[in-house]
Amino acid sequence: KAGVTQTPRYLIKTRGQQVTLSCSPISGHRSVSWYQQTPGQGLQFLFEYFSETQRNKGNFPGRFSGRQFSNSRSEMNVSTLELGDSALYLCASSLDGGGHTEAFFGQGTRLTVV
Amino acid sequence: AQSVTQLDSQVPVFEEAPVELRCNYSSSVSVYLFWYVQYPNQGLQLLLKYLSGSTLVKGINGFEAEFNKSQTSFHLRKPSVHISDTAEYFCAVSDKSGGSYIPTFGRGTSLIVHP
Repeated sequence: KAGVTQTPRYLIKTRGQQVTLSCSPISGHRSVSWYQQTPGQGLQFLFEYFSETQRNKGNFPGRFSGRQFSNSRSEMNVSTLELGDSALYLCASSLDGGGHTEAFFGQGTRLTVV
Repeated sequence: AQSVTQLDSQVPVFEEAPVELRCNYSSSVSVYLFWYVQYPNQGLQLLLKYLSGSTLVKGINGFEAEFNKSQTSFHLRKPSVHISDTAEYFCAVSDKSGGSYIPTFGRGTSLIVHP
């Protein structure tokens, strides 16, 4: 079956702009989580969506937001981009987001803010 | 809040040698433990997981890990590494918080296998 698909793979934006990243989970998976990966901070949890509702949220400013659609596809939006937002953004899907279930990761979207 | 410490940021090793990547987490009553591998320009792939039962867990690609509750550790081992094992390895812990399990990842250990 198809894996987790993230689009686009690469993105270059200017400070102050906004960006939307997309994630299509594995068919049948209802939980989608987003992570920011940087060399300095490692993998940091952004938020998790389950059945179109944000179920958990990490410690990121309100400029980071997301949503999930009825088909479980998810989008993540970052407004008023800052240089420090340059990172690899990873999306992971799982059946129900329970701690015991395996999370399947996409290849990520590499965002560069200039 | 849960914290995960991967004690080595980089581990160089020669091909066919054994390797151990260390992971410690902060104490918790109920945790699930995972090791993921990330190859360059790729997402993370699950190597193995500990949910309950036997403390020795076997995963893909010949890796295994041992859960030690008293030392709050979950070290990853492989008896003989290959060049293709060169990658970033992440330890992750899920700790029940507010009704949902939110995984916390370590900073990662870069395994570099030399010929």
